[in-house]
Amino acid sequence: QQPVQSPQAVILREGEDAVINCSSSKALYSVHWYRQKHGEAPVFLMILLKGGEQKGHEKISASFNEKKQQSSLYLTASQLSYSGTYFCGTEMSYGGSQGNLIFGKGTKLSVKP
Amino acid sequence: DAGITQSPRHKVTETGTPVTLRCHQTENHRYMYWYRQDPGHGLRLIHYSYGVKDTDKGEVSDGYSVSRSKTEDFLLTLESATSSQTSVYFCAISESNNQPQHFGDGTRLSIL
Repeated sequence: QQPVQSPQAVILREGEDAVINCSSSKALYSVHWYRQKHGEAPVFLMILLKGGEQKGHEKISASFNEKKQQSSLYLTASQLSYSGTYFCGTEMSYGGSQGNLIFGKGTKLSVKP
Repeated sequence: DAGITQSPRHKVTETGTPVTLRCHQTENHRYMYWYRQDPGHGLRLIHYSYGVKDTDKGEVSDGYSVSRSKTEDFLLTLESATSSQTSVYFCAISESNNQPQHFGDGTRLSIL
C-alpha cells in the first residue's frame, strides 16, 4: 500500500525545474506533500483532494490524477532552499481510515549553486 | 509554527527497559499521531488518536502502546525496548482528517 515515489534522488542546478511523482496501487482520496530538511521535522507543503485539482505554493505546485492514482509535485526555477527530502502521504478512498496517511520513501532533492 | 513539544529529544537506553516518549501540544488539535522514521522506509505510522482516550493502531504498532488522557498530551510507550526500535520518532497533530499534519522536532531513540 505504500506509494511509490520517483525519482529516488535528483540533483539540480539553481533555476532548473524538477518533477517528483507519487503513485499508488490503491484508489486515493487525498495526497499530502511534505518537505524535510536534514535533521529537521517534515514541513507541510500542500494537500490535494480527489477531483484533479492543482495547487501552488510559491514556485512549487502539484497535481492529482485520481484515475491514475498519481500525484506529481512540480518545482520550477529551483532555489537552494528547495533542497531536502520530499514525501508524499496518501489517504485511501475508503471509510474508517480516519485520515491516516501512508508515506512514500521520499525523494531526495539537492539544489547546487 | 504549531506548538508541539516532544520529550525527551534524545535518549539512549538498554534492551528490555520500558521507555515513554511524550508529545505535548498547545493547539487544541483533535488528532495526534506517532510515527517512526528509518532510513529507506520513510515515515511509518505507529498509533494515532482522534480524541481523548480514543486511539487506534497504525501500520507498525507491535511493541508499542499509547495513551491520551488529555487533549494536549499523547504518550508513546515501548513496554520492553528492543534494538529494532532504535529510530527517530515524530509526533504530529492535525485539526481533523484531511487537514495538514504538523510535526514535532522528533526524538532520537537509541536502544543498545
